[in-house]
Amino acid sequence: GENVEQHPSTLSVQEGDSAVIKCTYSDSASNYFPWYKQELGKGPQLIIDIRSNVGEKKDQRIAVTLNKTAKHFSLHITETQPEDSAVYFCAASGTSYGKLTFGQGTILTVHP
Amino acid sequence: DAGITQSPRYKITETGRQVTLMCHQTWSHSYMFWYRQDLGHGLRLIYYSAAADITDKGEVPDGYVVSRSKTENFPLTLESATRSQTSVYFCASSESGADQPQHFGDGTRLSIL
Repeated sequence: GENVEQHPSTLSVQEGDSAVIKCTYSDSASNYFPWYKQELGKGPQLIIDIRSNVGEKKDQRIAVTLNKTAKHFSLHITETQPEDSAVYFCAASGTSYGKLTFGQGTILTVHP
Repeated sequence: DAGITQSPRYKITETGRQVTLMCHQTWSHSYMFWYRQDLGHGLRLIYYSAAADITDKGEVPDGYVVSRSKTENFPLTLESATRSQTSVYFCASSESGADQPQHFGDGTRLSIL
């Protein structure tokens, strides 16, 4: 089955800096890669996603890049703010029913 | 307010008891999912449903039962709870299956003593 590895497990940055989280996946059939943000006591919230026919996608301060050949994808957050502090999960999906395989999560802390 | 809601938010029960976690969505999404979240394991799929009366196993289905008599509801039942089922449970829904966003509820924190 699919295996998703996520790094780093923790990331600490100063407000205004950029943050990058990287994931690798094992199943070349995977074609959908969402990123979720989870705040304490809340469910995962979709922040951006990318499909395998696209190499990069941006939404304001957030961008995701996908390298299908190397089977890795990354989340980039620019101009970080304290409210970006949360746990971020990457995921991959390639099944017909949309099963998501999640990475282990990255705890991002943005210091004012 | 439209969306996906889970109840209860917190539940404490004893081993051997039956407990049902509820999930309700107002989007009329076809697909619904149950995940559990544990430290060291991340989020893992328990069961999913492609439509009313259609359900199938995910990665960790043992000890769980689901049903889907109506599109909007997808309850998860632990027929005889065990301590290993202590976890945070999340329900999600999506408009269709493959490569569609899944939207999550805020979870049920279940403790089994």
